[in-house]
Amino acid sequence: AQTVTQSQPEMSVQEAETVTLSCTYDTSESDYYLFWYKQPPSRQMILVIRQEAYKQQNATENRFSVNFQKAAKSFSLKISDSQLGDAAMYFCAYRIIQGAQKLVFGQGTRLTINP
Amino acid sequence: DVKVTQSSRYLVKRTGEKVFLECVQDMDHENMFWYRQDPGLGLRLIYFSYDVKMKEKGDIPEGYSVSREKKERFSLILESASTNQTSMYLCASSLHRGPIDYEQYFGPGTRLTVT
Repeated sequence: AQTVTQSQPEMSVQEAETVTLSCTYDTSESDYYLFWYKQPPSRQMILVIRQEAYKQQNATENRFSVNFQKAAKSFSLKISDSQLGDAAMYFCAYRIIQGAQKLVFGQGTRLTINP
Repeated sequence: DVKVTQSSRYLVKRTGEKVFLECVQDMDHENMFWYRQDPGLGLRLIYFSYDVKMKEKGDIPEGYSVSREKKERFSLILESASTNQTSMYLCASSLHRGPIDYEQYFGPGTRLTVT
């Protein structure tokens, strides 16, 4: 069975600094997707960034980028120039490419931004 | 904009009651999902549906059932609520076009307390 592990329950960073959230996963599949979702306090979960496992290039979305290490089964999220609005729970998630679009989520990391 | 709505933000029920959680999406998505979110455990899939009247068990279906009579509506049913079902329940929906990944859009969640 696929599993996703986020080993950092909480992280904090100073505004304008850079922070990296860790995620590891376990799978025997060779083709899959990886995601980072953001859940702001009392607001809906939104997709931050996605990575296709067959792509070697790391995905980037503005201030958000990932470090995808397929052999190590590691998928970390880097947030540059942290802003107060980045404060949220962040979830790493995985799904296989074929079949139902079931997501497997990690435990989540609560990110606090210090002004 | 895709909109996923859930019938209640907060719900308090008594042990043994039958509970209905409703989810509606307005973007003609084929796939709909029910997740349960608990601290330290992340999101876990309860049930999902890829078409009207179709349903599949997720990772933790025990104590729950679902109904999808119309494409836009997916209901989660707790036949006899128990205190260990106190949790945040999130609904999501997505397009289904073969293996291509389409983003899952989440509702605001229903925080259910069973006393």
